[in-house]
Amino acid sequence: AQKITQTQPGMFVQEKEAVTLDCTYDTSDQSYGLFWYKQPSSGEMIFLIYQGSYDEQNATEGRYSLNFQKARKSANLVISASQLGDSAMYFCAMRVTMDSNYQLIWGAGTKLIIKP
Amino acid sequence: DGGITQSPKYLFRKEGQNVTLSCEQNLNHDAMYWYRQDPGQGLRLIYYSQIVNDFQKGDIAEGYSVSREKKESFPLTVTSAQKNPTAFYLCASSTGRYNEQFFGPGTRLTVL
Repeated sequence: AQKITQTQPGMFVQEKEAVTLDCTYDTSDQSYGLFWYKQPSSGEMIFLIYQGSYDEQNATEGRYSLNFQKARKSANLVISASQLGDSAMYFCAMRVTMDSNYQLIWGAGTKLIIKP
Repeated sequence: DGGITQSPKYLFRKEGQNVTLSCEQNLNHDAMYWYRQDPGQGLRLIYYSQIVNDFQKGDIAEGYSVSREKKESFPLTVTSAQKNPTAFYLCASSTGRYNEQFFGPGTRLTVL
């Protein structure tokens, strides 16, 4: 079965600290991709970072980095130097191929609250 | 500016009525998607379309219908057959490189 698991329903982090959001996945596909999205209270989903299954280096985008451990099937998001504006829901998603089409499988999300 | 628009932002419906949610994109993306999000949960796929005049059911298509007559537009109709339609609905489109999906601002539907 193709599945994304986010085991942290919620997290509180002090401003300026680094935070790691966990994501594990399960797929039988050899080629897949992993995404992280941010959903602020306004509701819009904002694309943060992408890691392909064949990418050898961990992806980085500004303060966001993806700790990709293929053998453990994990793709954790690391946010460095957290800011109050980072408070939001964070979703991990996996791109798989179904019926020759790409689809995203979504995790249940982690609610991150940054404390001043 | 390129992007995805959804309207209306808030929608109220009486039981037994059909309603149509609009989704328009000017990103020239071929693929478009509709998701449903319930409070505290992730996204569930309703329908998706890879090209004009073609669409496929997602995981929770029952009670919904779509059309894709133009590349830019992918409206979703919530029919009276959908037993629990109150939810947040998100439309997305995707491009080829990573197939990352770009989202509209969403429509919050409430059945009265």
